[in-house]
Amino acid sequence: NAGVTQTPKFQVLKTGQSMTLQCAQDMNHEYMSWYRQDPGMGLRLIHYSVGAGITDQGEVPNGYNVSRSTTEDFPLRLLSAAPSQTSVYFCASSGTGNNQPQHFGDGTRLSIL
Amino acid sequence: DAKTTQPNSMESNEEEPVHLPCNHSTISGTDYIHWYRQLPSQGPEYVIHGLTSNVNNRMASLAIAEDRKSSTLILHRATLRDAAVYYCILRGQAGNNRKLIWGLGTSLAVNP
Repeated sequence: NAGVTQTPKFQVLKTGQSMTLQCAQDMNHEYMSWYRQDPGMGLRLIHYSVGAGITDQGEVPNGYNVSRSTTEDFPLRLLSAAPSQTSVYFCASSGTGNNQPQHFGDGTRLSIL
Repeated sequence: DAKTTQPNSMESNEEEPVHLPCNHSTISGTDYIHWYRQLPSQGPEYVIHGLTSNVNNRMASLAIAEDRKSSTLILHRATLRDAAVYYCILRGQAGNNRKLIWGLGTSLAVNP
């Protein structure tokens, strides 16, 4: 069972570069979300989606874009990378009911020089 | 801001029970209480969830206060593999309650 798959696992970027973090799930989950986690901190919600074509901002959306063209995929785009975006990024998916547990990917470790 | 508050850290001895508290005084009637844990260098892992009644599964038990303003995750016999950060979050159904806001969690150390 694949679950939630994030790619790449590691990435180093230069300031100003753009890139897309990929997230795919095979559980037919409607709810997907992106978090960032900085050292010693909890998870902070970047963007989330409750279904294809529907996205909304989380706590820290600035500098990131998302789209949800299919149920399976929820890519996160960094438009112009900044050192402050160095972090570990987690994607999660779940059913939409508030009794549904979230399933997390293994994370993408992103360093911006 | 997170809707839950937890102690920053706790310590336990191996094979002893652990009670991890969580306060959520602003919980609304339809919010579920979810617990996750995060092992070092891994993504969070679902542990348990509940609404009003106490819940048990193979990993842990969840005790929910009668007024639902607090809950306690119970690990019946801590093992070294239970050393992790434990997060308590509320999951609502509609509007902004669909945003899942995480606090800092409780870092649990287990002594051999």
